[in-house]
Formats: sequence, C-alpha cells, structure tokens
Amino acid sequence: SQQGEEDPQALSIQEGENATMNCSYKTSINNLQWYRQNSGRGLVHLILIRSNEREKHSGRLRVTLDTSKKSSSLLITASRAADTASYFCATPGGTYKYIFGTGTRLKVLA
Amino acid sequence: DGGITQSPKYLFRKEGQNVTLSCEQNLNHDAMYWYRQDPGQGLRLIYYSQIVNDFQKGDIAEGYSVSREKKESFPLTVTSAQKNPTAFYLCASIRQGADQPQHFGDGTRLSIL
Repeated sequence: SQQGEEDPQALSIQEGENATMNCSYKTSINNLQWYRQNSGRGLVHLILIRSNEREKHSGRLRVTLDTSKKSSSLLITASRAADTASYFCATPGGTYKYIFGTGTRLKVLA
Repeated sequence: DGGITQSPKYLFRKEGQNVTLSCEQNLNHDAMYWYRQDPGQGLRLIYYSQIVNDFQKGDIAEGYSVSREKKESFPLTVTSAQKNPTAFYLCASIRQGADQPQHFGDGTRLSIL
C-alpha cells in the first residue's frame, strides 16, 4: 500500500531555477525521509525530518513538514543539471518497515 | 568503503526458471530489505529481515523467496511462480535505532528471455 504520494509526477525546469516537490501521506508519522534516485541506480538518502520539526535545511535542500496536513515539501534551490533524478519520500510503515511514495521525476535543463 | 553490493547488475530468466539475486552488505546493519520497482513507479516491499534466520513478507511476496543465514547476506529468489518478474530489484539495509536512513545497493534489472 502506498503511503506517500508525490506531486507533481514530473517536473522540468531550467538550470538555476528552484524545484519544489510535495509529498502527502495518510497516517501519523514520527519522521519523513527524502531520497534521490539517479537513472538505473539505487536510492540515496537526502534528508530526514522529525515530526516535531517544521523545517530543515541541508545545503541547497530545504524540507518542510506540516503534520496537520500530512504533507511535506522538498525545495531544491539554484538547480543544476546534476540534480536531474527521481525524488521519493518515505515514511515509517511499522517496525522496520518503510513506505515509499510514487516519486517526482525532475529534469533540469542546461 | 562500507556499502551494499548487488549482483548481477543484469539478469535474464527463462520460462519456468528460478533465479537468485545476491545482496551483500558490510555495514554491520541488522535489517535488510528487498524492493521491486517497475518503470516510473515507486518501490514496493517484497521481503524484509530484522535479524538472522528471521524474515517477514512485505506487500508483494508471492512468487519470491528469501533466506537470511548470515547477517551480511540476504539473497532473493524469483521463482517460476512469479509470472511478471521483469522489474528493477533493490536491496537495502538499515542500522537499528530511531530515525535511521536506509542504504541501498545499485539494483539488479531482471528481464524475461
């Protein structure tokens, strides 16, 4: 069962622009994670935000979490061609279980 | 360097054949996972294991089997009962404790001959 749903499914922007993608989930969580997947590769962990945090930064990444709306957003500022990838949110789905969203495919045009 | 190694990178299966995908980790992680990813889709959990000699079914376990005889290894067998095995298979592991990220291998792409 899919807990997280990313929006939009696909996003195409010019280099230097900001990219925003959103994740909605269904049940209460204690944390939410974002991952990146380059084409044909495994997922790489980007950032984790806890349920008692509203915003978190890591380099050019900014993540927000709104537990009242059960949603999170990932903002990539000043995007680069190397940011082209799929981005997934993941939420705990039980002890040692994680549920991944459907992903946002980001294409950054040089 | 610590990490997760999946092999082979590409695998072809004939009708009626069982194939086994390898996953090895040297991160000393307790829990390991197998996910299936179809084109343009998210990850679906096949099996996971929290400790050696124990594993649980995920959401799409039918047609798959696993073993966990060693902490470092969690092989996945795609049996002939899995009628639509063509997909990208990802193995992951995680350290015990709260708020830990999953570490992923680089996947195995399985196709039917």
